[in-house]
Amino acid sequence: GQQLNQSPQSMFIQEGEDVSMNCTSSSIFNTWLWYKQDPGEGPVLLIALYKAGELTSNGRLTAQFGITRKDSFLNISASIPSDVGIYFCAGPISNTGNQFYFGTGTSLTVIP
Amino acid sequence: NAGVMQNPRHLVRRRGQEARLRCSPVKGHSHVYWYRQLPEEGLKFMVYLQKENIIDESGMPKERFSAEFPKEGPSILRIQQVVRGDSAAYFCASSRRTGVSSYNEQFFGPGTRLTVL
Repeated sequence: GQQLNQSPQSMFIQEGEDVSMNCTSSSIFNTWLWYKQDPGEGPVLLIALYKAGELTSNGRLTAQFGITRKDSFLNISASIPSDVGIYFCAGPISNTGNQFYFGTGTSLTVIP
Repeated sequence: NAGVMQNPRHLVRRRGQEARLRCSPVKGHSHVYWYRQLPEEGLKFMVYLQKENIIDESGMPKERFSAEFPKEGPSILRIQQVVRGDSAAYFCASSRRTGVSSYNEQFFGPGTRLTVL
């Protein structure tokens, strides 16, 4: 299957700092999604991107769909303790269903 | 509004036993997806079902694993003769319709953590 590589693998930041993480693929995707997973819970959708070059915000989160359609980044501004968790990017396996490939994840720790 | 419900949340089985994982999708959702997550890894797609039909099982092992989504009742992921390597978190997701668009958001359940002794 497809491999979605996320970097960095983990981040330790001070509360209030901005965070940037990205996701790359060897193949083109027509959609990129970013999820957050808290310990012991299922992933929750943060942002969905449907068009190359698209820049979308959701509160303190901003994500962009790369022009090449092979990458995406997620920024979190002014981090707070509840931002702690694992962030996954995902791309669809097909154009007809909602089966997704998930990235390797970026673990975020926010130090108060 | 109830989200995706999964039970049990934790399941312990001995090698060779059967594991049954249940998933009740969001009310009105007729598309169900199962994923497996090993520790420190991302989710891996297993199977996609609609009511009474398996649409895509390309991610599911050919042996010991089966899934169903009957007309009435929850979706079931069944693992027969479990082995230690089956220990993982299994997540179910549901969506109202198929196709990736802003109208077809997929919601995940809290997962079932299977431990095989």
